[in-house]
Amino acid sequence: QSALTQPASVSGSPGQSITISCTGTSSDVGGYNYVSWYQQHPGKAPKLMIYEVTSRPSGVSTRFSGSKSANTASLTISGLQAEDEADYYCSSYTNSGTHYVFGAGTKVTVL
Amino acid sequence: EVQLVESGGGLVQPGGSLRLSCAASGLPFNDLWMTWARQAPGKGLEWVANIKGDGSEKYYGDSVKGRFTISRDNAKNSLYLQMSSLRAEDTALYYCAGTIATPHGMDVWGQGTTVTVSS
Repeated sequence: QSALTQPASVSGSPGQSITISCTGTSSDVGGYNYVSWYQQHPGKAPKLMIYEVTSRPSGVSTRFSGSKSANTASLTISGLQAEDEADYYCSSYTNSGTHYVFGAGTKVTVL
Repeated sequence: EVQLVESGGGLVQPGGSLRLSCAASGLPFNDLWMTWARQAPGKGLEWVANIKGDGSEKYYGDSVKGRFTISRDNAKNSLYLQMSSLRAEDTALYYCAGTIATPHGMDVWGQGTTVTVSS
């Protein structure tokens, strides 16, 4: 299965907003509202930040929001903070037979 | 406390086999989709396999299909990954993850167990 396409890196200053894109196909991102986003700090396990495109798990800051248009999903982090510096991965259900696929990951740097 | 604890990782020769385990506690294990994901050193996450709560559905990533088998024992609150015909590219940190309250998203993760395939 092909990984979903994400930018390798995104950066922003504290307080700014940034957006990470996640591009797939009509077989995954575009065909289903089953996109999730994970945050991973170095040496730590991933943490779910968004599920079903726009939903936030309990305890996740409202500064994190998700959206989707056609075959591209997006994660927006508003009011960027130093603790947001991490790797972010999107994931989507896929009808290709493998069930789910991850994106290649995006490193977020807070300047 | 909700907890997933992986075990069974180690050093194995190419072509060898290994069985990973994941012990779950503090969650309704019988009802949960459970997933194995992995992360090669310095690389991104890769979805490996998942299994429905009653074990009736199983799915595999293309890179492990035919070599890995996912299973579970709900009486023991345990998830397993039987890995065979191991290759160097299977070297990774293997995570166990579950979906409790977030459909199509994994909201509980273990800390991982390391598998190294090398001669």
